[in-house]
Amino acid sequence: IAGITQAPTSQILAAGRRMTLRCTQDMRHNAMYWYRQDLGLGLRLIHYSNTAGTTGKGEVPDGYSVSRANTDDFPLTLASAVPSQTSVYFCASSAGFTTDTQYFGPGTRLTVL
Amino acid sequence: QKEVEQDPGPLSVPEGAIVSLNCTYSNSAFQYFMWYRQYSRKGPELLMYTYSSGNKEDGRFTAQVDKSSKYISLFIRDSQPSDSATYLCAMGASNTGKLIFGQGTTLQVKP
Repeated sequence: IAGITQAPTSQILAAGRRMTLRCTQDMRHNAMYWYRQDLGLGLRLIHYSNTAGTTGKGEVPDGYSVSRANTDDFPLTLASAVPSQTSVYFCASSAGFTTDTQYFGPGTRLTVL
Repeated sequence: QKEVEQDPGPLSVPEGAIVSLNCTYSNSAFQYFMWYRQYSRKGPELLMYTYSSGNKEDGRFTAQVDKSSKYISLFIRDSQPSDSATYLCAMGASNTGKLIFGQGTTLQVKP
């Protein structure tokens, strides 16, 4: 089934630990995105990539890093997790980086204690 | 002031009611407008997409964009319990490639 997969589904993490959230799409989309969703704040863009090999910062990039080694994968890394990074994280992709529809994965629920 | 404002609700209506969901925005550069539906513990899924001003209808759903007032709406006719979800407006400008989302409105349709 075509779409976006994310792993893990949920995770509880001790503060200070390193964590990588995985995202894979099989639609051959050029652009990929990471968002976090918090109650009352909606979806906020963390990082994006408009094509393999390039990345950019979104609205809330601090504490997060990404890489885009190939078209399909776009991992998000928390180098040293803090409690304020407790959130639901969504990966998304779109065919192009302009007006194209973004398709979302099922999300990862992360709790940092 | 946030670029996109959306009343978070919650909004509770009886089955069969007409529902109106709204967003306002401040950036006149926004050209394309979307509505996403998000069921509990799921990812958002695209419901409606509109480019520039005007109306678009798809079954029971109608999206309206009024760029002069910087106001967009989603109407749901004959609402069903299966419409119970959070509805997120999103908009963007073609020169940035990024979407800005509203906070989302939670809708409950009671049978």
